[in-house]
Amino acid sequence: QVQLQESGPGLVQPSETLSLTCSVSGASISSHYWSWIRQPAGKGLEWIGRIFTIGSTKYNPSLKSRVTMSVETSKNQFSLKVSSVTAADTAVYFCARVGSTVGAAYFDLWGQGILVSVSS
Amino acid sequence: DIQMTQSPSTLSASVGDRVTITCRASQSISSWLAWYQQKPGKAPELLIYMASTLESGVPSRFSGSGSGTEFTLTISSLQPHDFATYYCQQYLSFSPITFGQGTRLEIK
Repeated sequence: QVQLQESGPGLVQPSETLSLTCSVSGASISSHYWSWIRQPAGKGLEWIGRIFTIGSTKYNPSLKSRVTMSVETSKNQFSLKVSSVTAADTAVYFCARVGSTVGAAYFDLWGQGILVSVSS
Repeated sequence: DIQMTQSPSTLSASVGDRVTITCRASQSISSWLAWYQQKPGKAPELLIYMASTLESGVPSRFSGSGSGTEFTLTISSLQPHDFATYYCQQYLSFSPITFGQGTRLEIK
């Protein structure tokens, strides 16, 4: 059974860098595209970006200047960094697997999510 | 960006009812549309992709239809655990992927 688990600090200082990791178990990280999605409390879903193991990335233009995603295949993990955070970056962050059908860019498996608060 | 607009924002219904949620795209997305169910404090779960393909394990009372700019999610006979928030998502391209604002399905 494939599972995703987010980890990282739950509190980040304003202007600092938010760093999260998604650990994948039950499947090779090399076999899919992977994404990060976030959800502020009581609000909708915002796609942050996606990555493939060869380092191919695509980011939401609204966040592109502050976002970096990377993969560590030896650990079967992928990561997210968001720099210069503000209170507007406070949200539950989900990692997710991109579906494997042709042309797929939907998310067929999600982590449980991790709440990250930006506050001093 | 492609804007996705869901209606209604909130829907009140009873167990056994047939309900329909609509999602409209600001431009044609062919059939590149997915639907998700999200319960409080949980991650979204994929219900339907390619507008009408049911994800494995999803009950057949869920169905999706539409193409171009207008799509619907139908639940044929509401069950107690179907009360949740539903999101549509377009994936015409990764530039960027966008979601609808959500439809909260509540018990009447």
